[in-house]
Amino acid sequence: QVQLVESGGGVVQPGRSLRLSCAASGFTFSSYAMHWVRQTPGKGLEWVAVISYDESSQFYTDSVKGRFTISRDNSQNTLYLQMNSLRAEDTAIYYCARDPKSGYVIYNWFDPWGQGTLVTVSS
Amino acid sequence: EVVMTQSPATLSVSPGERATLSCRASQNIRNYYLAWYQQKPGQAPSLLISGASNRATGIPARFSGSGSGTEFTLTISSLQSEDFAVYYCQQYSDWPLTFGGGTKVEVK
Repeated sequence: QVQLVESGGGVVQPGRSLRLSCAASGFTFSSYAMHWVRQTPGKGLEWVAVISYDESSQFYTDSVKGRFTISRDNSQNTLYLQMNSLRAEDTAIYYCARDPKSGYVIYNWFDPWGQGTLVTVSS
Repeated sequence: EVVMTQSPATLSVSPGERATLSCRASQNIRNYYLAWYQQKPGQAPSLLISGASNRATGIPARFSGSGSGTEFTLTISSLQSEDFAVYYCQQYSDWPLTFGGGTKVEVK
């Protein structure tokens, strides 16, 4: 079955960096666009970034542009989120999620989601 | 950005009753580019509906979506115990992709 497993979360000081990973299995990872979505009690669900199946396109929400980088290794079936210059407001559960259909077109809804990894930015 | 507003924030319903959840967009959502998700405590969200009215694989027929433009509705025709959860709408008509604040469906 399709499975997405995030890792790499933890407690980090403001201004530092963290890299999240999402290991995919049960489907042809290299054929699907992939997303990062985060969730906080205060701001709810917030889409963070998307990467096309072949890494040719990436899009970000404004609040993370220039600080976060989404990437993937199709040979390892793994999605990444490099987070630099972290801020307190980046504290959230980070989910990876698959675009629903394979191919060049990015559909921009999410199915399925991983279980999430918690990132806490605090001094 | 497109602001999605869900109402009510909390809906108290008895099992077997009908639940109607609303999602309003701050601007027109083109081509019915609206999805609904269900989230249970301690779990990730899961897809219910895409394209405003298309149920995802395995979703029971008691879940239905409708609407267009700026007004969308999720209806649960007869609430089962497993349906008590938080529901989110999400637009994918424009960047950035945005979610509503959620409606919690609780037992009355």
